Amino acid sequence: GQQVMQIPQYQHVQEGEDFTTYCNSSTTLSNIQWYKQRPGGHPVFLIQLVKSGEVKKQKRLTFQFGEAKKNSSLHITATQTTDVGTYFCAVINTNAGKSTFGDGTTLTVKP
Amino acid sequence: DSGVTQTPKHLITATGQRVTLRCSPRSGDLSVYWYQQSLDQGLQFLIQYYNGEERAKGNILERFSAQQFPDLHSELNLSSLELGDSALYFCASSASSRGTGANVLTFGAGSRLTVL
Repeated sequence: GQQVMQIPQYQHVQEGEDFTTYCNSSTTLSNIQWYKQRPGGHPVFLIQLVKSGEVKKQKRLTFQFGEAKKNSSLHITATQTTDVGTYFCAVINTNAGKSTFGDGTTLTVKP
Repeated sequence: DSGVTQTPKHLITATGQRVTLRCSPRSGDLSVYWYQQSLDQGLQFLIQYYNGEERAKGNILERFSAQQFPDLHSELNLSSLELGDSALYFCASSASSRGTGANVLTFGAGSRLTVL
């Protein structure tokens, strides 16, 4: 089945530093989504990217979809302690019955 | 509150036993997904239902089964439980199969299963 590789597995940063997680696929993706799971919580949808080269921003978070639609990244500028959690990329296609999550990147932030 | 309700929140049982986890999707959502998350692990897709019918199967063991009822709630049955089945089981729902919102998953709070 379709697989998405996500790196790094863990990232420890000092508060105020930037953070980036990457998601890569060997095949072209129809869309990619990002979810955040806080410690002890459940995954929460952040954003969906559909178009080649798409860039979307949510405050300090910047999401990119590669030109070839085979990779994506999530960048957080000036991390805060509220950013801690695990960030997952995912490829979901309800109609086609596809559901693949990356292994996630766990972010810890030192105050 | 995400709108997806899972019960029970916590469950402790013994090896060899059988349990049923229940999920009520968000109002209007036709699709239900089940995922397993072991300690510090990723989300393993188990199975998806759409409007009562099985749509896709992931890494679901033969000891596990699921179904979606006419009122769209879903149940995940886990039998002959083993220690390794201890995990957080998430249910997620999504809207109809058309439109950009169709692929957005709304997760429940999860059911934590401990097998002793």
